[in-house]
Amino acid sequence: GAGVSQSPSNKVTEKGKDVELRCDPISGHTALYWYRQSLGQGLEFLIYFQGNSAPDKSGLPSDRFSAERTGGSVSTLTIQRTQQEDSAVYLCASSSLAGTGLEAFFGQGTRLTVV
Amino acid sequence: QKEVEQNSGPLSVPEGAIASLNCTYSDRGSQSFFWYRQYSGKSPELIMSIYSNGDKEDGRFTAQLNKASQYVSLLIRDSQPSDSATYLCAVIYNFNKFYFGSGTKLNVKP
Repeated sequence: GAGVSQSPSNKVTEKGKDVELRCDPISGHTALYWYRQSLGQGLEFLIYFQGNSAPDKSGLPSDRFSAERTGGSVSTLTIQRTQQEDSAVYLCASSSLAGTGLEAFFGQGTRLTVV
Repeated sequence: QKEVEQNSGPLSVPEGAIASLNCTYSDRGSQSFFWYRQYSGKSPELIMSIYSNGDKEDGRFTAQLNKASQYVSLLIRDSQPSDSATYLCAVIYNFNKFYFGSGTKLNVKP
């Protein structure tokens, strides 16, 4: 696609429910990143994919968070039993990590609100 | 631990002035460096990338890299109110994960 696409743009969920956030990276980009940004704060790294594998999951805050990537393309971030502290903007970025295409490009984000 | 440090600001400059944004990084193995701009409520957008020591210019923006000092900066000439945003420094180590600084908030006053 032309850019990184995330869905939904906004999600309001009740505490305790599960949510799935989707990221569709730029076509051909092998690297995919998930970040979280709370209001007024910096980017918090969650997980990084190279192809379908996740060499670095160190940023996932708890075992309620999981992510997968299939076909080297779309990724899904799942949050189980959501808590109010999970409320944030979840950002996805992709990069080719090859040649001169090292830059990462971000999607528009998913704003998650847990009520 | 690989770290990217930025002054959180806010940095206030008058319209037309040069804004200078600075970033230091901890890992000497870092290979690629980027500046992103993030407007309030929006996602980060790439402004500049720089891979070798020296200066790289693109319009009103100049990125400067000094690997010996582990220092990268962004100069914005003829600053405009529309440049008011948070500027994020990012570093790649070993062609792998991006490490982001916490960002510097820039205010350009008319």
